[in-house]
Amino acid sequence: LAKTTQPISMDSYEGQEVNITCSHNNIATNDYITWYQQFPSQGPRFIIQGYKTKVTNEVASLFIPADRKSSTLSLPRVSLSDTAVYYCLVGDMGTGGGNKLTFGTGTQLKVEL
Amino acid sequence: NAGVTQTPKFQVLKTGQSMTLQCAQDMNHEYMSWYRQDPGMGLRLIHYSVGAGITDQGEVPNGYNVSRSTTEDFPLRLLSAAPSQTSVYFCASSYLDSLSGNTIYFGEGSWLTVV
Repeated sequence: LAKTTQPISMDSYEGQEVNITCSHNNIATNDYITWYQQFPSQGPRFIIQGYKTKVTNEVASLFIPADRKSSTLSLPRVSLSDTAVYYCLVGDMGTGGGNKLTFGTGTQLKVEL
Repeated sequence: NAGVTQTPKFQVLKTGQSMTLQCAQDMNHEYMSWYRQDPGMGLRLIHYSVGAGITDQGEVPNGYNVSRSTTEDFPLRLLSAAPSQTSVYFCASSYLDSLSGNTIYFGEGSWLTVV
């Protein structure tokens, strides 16, 4: 499983766009990139998943360059409720390998007024 | 929809005691797994299963056993509890979708303290 590197913490203000970048230099051909959000005392919650280019859903966008060695989670117009830890994970999701993920320490996002 | 249900939510054990953390999912997912999360850390994989009757070890399997007799249930057994096993335990399940890959759903966690 590819190792990921992401910032330990980030600070932002309500209404701003937040971009969290994750490095995964040894990503494999079959690997997907997935981001999870975790609030204190809760299990991680799926945010978005992608393989290449750009993926967008109702809560976030995921940008993946052509070489796939990094990815950026973009949260538009954050609010206080977006304060959480965000994990970037890379794994072979396509064969059930996504069930055995390697979590790093994540990025603690703090949103203030 | 219940999703992934873990019981108990909180448990205090004495060193040497054994117990089972229960996990059930009602989504007919093939894949299930157990993680532990220590304070300030990411989740670490203990054991996982790719289907009924099939289990395998993750990153930190020592001191834990699992079985998968049905698709729905994936209990985690602590054989002889140790203070080092004080942690929050998360059960997860997922399925493989040909279009979207593998999305994992986590339970709410079980807080275990070993004294």
